[in-house]
Amino acid sequence: NAGVTQTPKFQVLKTGQSMTLQCAQDMNHEYMSWYRQDPGMGLRLIHYSVGAGITDQGEVPNGYNVSRSTTEDFPLRLLSAAPSQTSVYFCASSSQGLYGYTFGSGTRLTVV
Amino acid sequence: AQSVTQPDIHITVSEGASLELRCNYSYGATPYLFWYVQSPGQGLQLLLKYFSGDTLVQGIKGFEAEFKRSQSSFNLRKPSVHWSDAAEYFCAVGALGAQKLVFGQGTRLTINP
Repeated sequence: NAGVTQTPKFQVLKTGQSMTLQCAQDMNHEYMSWYRQDPGMGLRLIHYSVGAGITDQGEVPNGYNVSRSTTEDFPLRLLSAAPSQTSVYFCASSSQGLYGYTFGSGTRLTVV
Repeated sequence: AQSVTQPDIHITVSEGASLELRCNYSYGATPYLFWYVQSPGQGLQLLLKYFSGDTLVQGIKGFEAEFKRSQSSFNLRKPSVHWSDAAEYFCAVGALGAQKLVFGQGTRLTINP
């Protein structure tokens, strides 16, 4: 049972480049979320999904897109990377959001 | 809107000493409260959660937390810490029926030998 798998683990982008952070879970969880973690700011919600075909914005959605075509996958797209998007990104999933989320190990992104 | 405050950015305790990490929340209805732990370079792991009922909840790794509605607090405690407890701890609040959590800023715990 792999849990929540995030790829890549590390990435360096140039300003203006686009990329997709991958997230996959094998627990048949309905709920999935993307957070970014910055020093002194805890985790902030970017986008979340309560099932295939359903997504919504969190606290800091600007500059990011998501889609949920399958239950298993929830990719996060950076449309035009900016240095302010340098962060550690976590994907999380849950069978019922209020019963706790399982987190991936994170993607460390640097935008230069 | 929901919010969570963890007043202590960094705490240092000696191995074997007791621990209390503070968490205050702001939410208009009955909150759903969580504590997560993050070891260096790792994702977050759920320690415990409170939904309703007994206000003292037990979690993994010997941790417990007490919900105090009058103080809007959900403090995490452990009677005797171990060196392996050194990590960052996050308190989070979720609204009833919500699919998203709001996290505090985190408290980094250092253990002195």
